[in-house]
Amino acid sequence: AQKVTQAQTEISVVEKEDVTLDCVYETRDTTYYLFWYKQPPSGELVFLIRRNSFDEQNEISGRYSWNFQKSTSSFNFTITASQVVDSAVYFCALIASGGSYIPTFGRGTSLIVHP
Amino acid sequence: GAGVSQSPSNKVTEKGKDVELRCDPISGHTALYWYRQSLGQGLEFLIYFQGNSAPDKSGLPSDRFSAERTGGSVSTLTIQRTQQEDSAVYLCASSLHGTGGNTIYFGEGSWLTVV
Repeated sequence: AQKVTQAQTEISVVEKEDVTLDCVYETRDTTYYLFWYKQPPSGELVFLIRRNSFDEQNEISGRYSWNFQKSTSSFNFTITASQVVDSAVYFCALIASGGSYIPTFGRGTSLIVHP
Repeated sequence: GAGVSQSPSNKVTEKGKDVELRCDPISGHTALYWYRQSLGQGLEFLIYFQGNSAPDKSGLPSDRFSAERTGGSVSTLTIQRTQQEDSAVYLCASSLHGTGGNTIYFGEGSWLTVV
């Protein structure tokens, strides 16, 4: 069985603050893939990043960065200097053969950035 | 268009009526997924198509729900005898191949309201 836990239901910050969204996953597979998606108020899920289990190198894209740690089964997402436009629900997802390659999503973290 | 296309965008139907939701995946994508998202909730897996293989229907909540995919491309999700609890956003997604960690791209969703 596989599982994704996003323990933070809602986070509220003031613009320019840094914020980290947590994602903890469970899988018995040695090969798996992790994703983050953003769902703004408009509703469409927007792909942010994909990471495979063999690549633990952290990634930075502008104000976004991701910290993948297999030792703690975590794939956390940090937004630096948050902006109001970052307000959205963020989902972490896992794909592995043990789950028949069907993506398992966390319940999402709602980020509210106040001006 | 280049993305996943869903129709209708919004549908209001009376309890007991049947509805059909359509999904046109990204051209060349062999894997297609349907998810349901109730208000303020996470993503609930419904059904998964991979090429010409038999679909994985393990997420369908009842026998009122069915889906087909014609010619390996367009998919239709049908809900018979709709109930108020069926009110949700129905999200379709596609990926190049289902077996593996290919990125999954989502459509904008079909908002269903059962009154």
